[in-house]
Amino acid sequence: GDSVTQMEGPVTLSEEAFLTINCTYTATGYPSLFWYVQYPGEGLQLLLKATKADDKGSNKGFEATYRKETTSFHLEKGSVQVSDSAVYFCALSPLNAGNMLTFGGGTRLMVKP
Amino acid sequence: DAGITQSPRHKVTETGTPVTLRCHQTENHRYMYWYRQDPGHGLRLIHYSYGVKDTDKGEVSDGYSVSRSKTEDFLLTLESATSSQTSVYFCAISEGGGGYTFGSGTRLTVV
Repeated sequence: GDSVTQMEGPVTLSEEAFLTINCTYTATGYPSLFWYVQYPGEGLQLLLKATKADDKGSNKGFEATYRKETTSFHLEKGSVQVSDSAVYFCALSPLNAGNMLTFGGGTRLMVKP
Repeated sequence: DAGITQSPRHKVTETGTPVTLRCHQTENHRYMYWYRQDPGHGLRLIHYSYGVKDTDKGEVSDGYSVSRSKTEDFLLTLESATSSQTSVYFCAISEGGGGYTFGSGTRLTVV
């Protein structure tokens, strides 16, 4: 079945460091791909998405590119801030799956001043 | 997000008692979902709805039931709460395309 694998955390960085959180997926066909973010004590929020191969999703300085050849959707940010500390979830929505999302296990990011 | 609210935000209940959690939306979205979030397990789908009175099971539906009598409300019921159902429960809504809006969650403790 479809699945999403994320790098295990926590990821600890200093402010202004470069961020990469790896995400790979297994799915039939070409799913849509998403990154969600969960701040402490809150629900998940959609961060960015890409719906076809080579698409780049971007928002709030975060970017991710849909790589069909490597089945990956890695999240990147050039300079993290303390306020980016959160849990990040990669997810996919398969074609013809009734709008269902399959989530990865989440990666906790901690940014130190 | 004001478009989706969950109630209650926190609840402590005793083993064996019934519990109902409510999810209310003002967005008129077709799809509604209930997830539970536990350390080491990420998010797991309990039940979902694709319209009024149209619901289906997710991967961890045992011990839970749902109802959707109106577009705006999706209720999750634990018929007889157990300690293994202590968790944080999230409701989500969607109009399609995979973009979900999540509620703020209900923290349920079964003692």
